[in-house]
Amino acid sequence: QVQLVQSGAQLKKPGSLVKVSCKASGGSFSTYSLSWVRQSPGQGLEWMGGVIPILARTTYAQNFEGRVTITADHSTTTTYLELNGLRLEDTAIYYCTLSSAQDWFFDVWGRGTLVTVSS
Amino acid sequence: IVLTQSPGTLSLSPGERATLSCRANQSVADNYIAWYQQIAGQAPRLLVFGTSSRAEGIPSRFTGGGSGTDFTLTISRLEPEDFAVYYCQQYVASPWTFGQGTKVEIK
Repeated sequence: QVQLVQSGAQLKKPGSLVKVSCKASGGSFSTYSLSWVRQSPGQGLEWMGGVIPILARTTYAQNFEGRVTITADHSTTTTYLELNGLRLEDTAIYYCTLSSAQDWFFDVWGRGTLVTVSS
Repeated sequence: IVLTQSPGTLSLSPGERATLSCRANQSVADNYIAWYQQIAGQAPRLLVFGTSSRAEGIPSRFTGGGSGTDFTLTISRLEPEDFAVYYCQQYVASPWTFGQGTKVEIK
């Protein structure tokens, strides 16, 4: 069973950039698609974007286009989320997720990384 | 695609049946609907995909159904560990979207 281990909580200033990592272990990294889903305090779930490592293809939700970059490093089986131009409303838990099928539902989740944006 | 879940909160007792609804604003082709359970303080967990296929290790008391624009998740007999928030998700058209959630609470 694949496991996803995310980096720790971060505190950021408005306007800055945050980078969150997610290491996959216990499976074949390249055959999955990996996505980032965020959850604002007390709110629901929002898909931000994803990457298919074997195709080196990324796809982003329009809400985040231009601010988000998702990458995957095969050598370390790690995926990264970069979000720039941080705003107070970007305060959220950011989940790394994995789709082991050829579809975009999420059968494995990381524990989440809390990103707090505060001046 | 916008998904609207109802009710917002469901107050039930252990052993009762829970029926959760997820309605899409357009038809979800190929029944590309998934359901997740989120217990407070934890990450979501996949319960059902493809409308009615249970994920690995999910008990048979969880049943997904529906088609077109109307989908349901039924929990036949609520166990204490089932009190949580449930989200539906569509993956037929990007951006993949979630409903706002239904909280199942102990009555």
